[in-house]
Amino acid sequence: DSGVTQTPKHLITATGQRVTLRCSPRSGDLSVYWYQQSLDQGLQFLIQYYNGEERAKGNILERFSAQQFPDLHSELNLSSLELGDSALYFCASSDMGGLEDTQYFGPGTRLTVL
Amino acid sequence: DQQVKQNSPSLSVQEGRISILNCDYTNSMFDYFLWYKKYPAEGPTFLISISSIKDKNEDGRFTVFLNKSAKHLSLHIVPSQPGDSAVYFCAASDTGGFKTIFGAGTRLFVKA
Repeated sequence: DSGVTQTPKHLITATGQRVTLRCSPRSGDLSVYWYQQSLDQGLQFLIQYYNGEERAKGNILERFSAQQFPDLHSELNLSSLELGDSALYFCASSDMGGLEDTQYFGPGTRLTVL
Repeated sequence: DQQVKQNSPSLSVQEGRISILNCDYTNSMFDYFLWYKKYPAEGPTFLISISSIKDKNEDGRFTVFLNKSAKHLSLHIVPSQPGDSAVYFCAASDTGGFKTIFGAGTRLFVKA
């Protein structure tokens, strides 16, 4: 158990809908990362937050947005969903957000868009 | 543009033998490299890392080698155990650019 929790575990929705994925980091970690893993693909970095502020942005679509709240939990919002958005979405956390910090990953949310 | 490539989707090794997983990168700005292991239905877990100022880092049965001139790194597992069967992701960081790029992963099967 990494200490990172993600809810829900599974999500099935239809095209055009909007969903919110939630992540609670390990106790004491200030930084949260979001990744997308599509079928047979590596982990695609989406976005990183540190102590409530956006720190780095990767290949995140404009239809997607995220935020980190004062209690350090984070939400990833996916809107106008398309079939191609079906993937595993991982959240990770680290203590200070440096790239040499170990990232601890949650178990992921499997999103299926029908 | 795949900046981090793991060209072998899968690898099968006999228990007790050496497993060698390879990773190539293209961006010379990468200065920190990591390996993560992932079991089914779980998130990736950190395994071992190496800074670009080193060419080798060892942790128990796991050793990572870095060849900067070839932009190549490898993970050696000796001896391999059935519990090592998992997907292994190579990742590279540009610490100045605050980004970590992951490879597509190599699925390792260790046969008893």
